[in-house]
This record gives sequence, C-alpha cells and structure tokens, in this order.
Amino acid sequence: AQSVTQPDIHITVSEGASLELRCNYSYGATPYLFWYVQSPGQGLQLLLKYFSGDTLVQGIKGFEAEFKRSQSSFNLRKPSVHWSDAAEYFCAVGAPGDYKLSFGAGTTVTVRA
Amino acid sequence: DAGITQSPRHKVTETGTPVTLRCHQTENHRYMYWYRQDPGHGLRLIHYSYGVKDTDKGEVSDGYSVSRSKTEDFLLTLESATSSQTSVYFCAIGTEETQYFGPGTRLLVL
Repeated sequence: AQSVTQPDIHITVSEGASLELRCNYSYGATPYLFWYVQSPGQGLQLLLKYFSGDTLVQGIKGFEAEFKRSQSSFNLRKPSVHWSDAAEYFCAVGAPGDYKLSFGAGTTVTVRA
Repeated sequence: DAGITQSPRHKVTETGTPVTLRCHQTENHRYMYWYRQDPGHGLRLIHYSYGVKDTDKGEVSDGYSVSRSKTEDFLLTLESATSSQTSVYFCAIGTEETQYFGPGTRLLVL
C-alpha cells in the first residue's frame, strides 16, 4: 500500500519569499501524486497532479511541483508567496487502477507581512 | 467547483446516538468517498462506493457504515457515536486521476 510523509508540520514564510513544501511517498511503481490546499474552514482544492511524463508540473495559483523518482519525492514550490497562500497543504498518493488516495498529515503555512 | 453538497454542515450529538451524514453530487460520478480529517493525520478514507449498492471499506471503517441507493447520494452512518468520532468529515467524488471534495461536515460528539 502507498503512503505519504510530509516532514514539516508548520512553515512560516515572509510575504514575497519563496516557499517549498516537502513530500515523500512510498510506492513500488510510479504513483499518481497530488497536492491539495485547504484554506481555513474550507474544503480541499486540487493544486496540481502528476501521473507521468514531464517531471515538473505546473498548477494553479502559481504553484509547481517536481517529481523525483530517485528521492521518492514530490515537493511543492512557489517563487513568491502572497498572504492569501496561508493555508494547510496536503500531499496525496494514488496508484493506477486504485481509486483510493493516501494523504500526508499536512503542512500548515503561515505568511507574515 | 464540482457539484458536491454535504448535510448537515455542523452537528453536535451525544455519545451513543446514531448519526447520519449525507453527501449529494450532481456530477453523476460513479465513485464516491468518505474521509475524516483529524489534526496530525491528514485525511483518512472511511468507506468508498464504486456504484449503486457497491461499497467497500477504507482505512478507518470501524464504527461506520455506508449506503448508496442512488448514484447521487452517499450516506455515512455512525451507528452509536463515540467521542473518538469527533472530526471533520469530507465527501469526495472522482476517479484515480482526480478527486473533488465537498465542503465538509464538522461533527462534535459529547
């Protein structure tokens, strides 16, 4: 079964600074990888996803993520954060033919002025 | 946004009381899911459905049952609520390639 680890529980970043959130997965083959964002009191919104092909994927809100098979990682990045990026971010892993997702514990991002 | 609604949005109940949460979709998706969200655990799958009357257990199914009598509705029942079931419950629809989430139901069991 697949699993996900998000090593950072909480990250604080200044507005305008870059952001990188880490995600490590466990799965025997090439997984399906996702990043979701959850604003306070809201549901989850899909930021981006990776299935195959180009290992650098672009998402909404200016986010991108890079799949690195050798490191079993799928880190999320944004070059310049905005105050509205303060939220909780979840990495998730799935598998071809398996409709169930496994989520990481989440990383809370605080943006300071 | 995917057409997913959850009801109720908030509920307070007492230990030992049965509780039913409803998920309704307007997207005609075959697959529907129930997750619970708890601090430090992210989202964990409770049950999922792959068609009318077709359901299966997820990672944390103990104490929960589900039913799906129509494509658009997926019900989650806590037969006898316990304080450990205090959580935020999310319904989702979709495939292995994309899942869309509802707004959530916040449940407090006293």
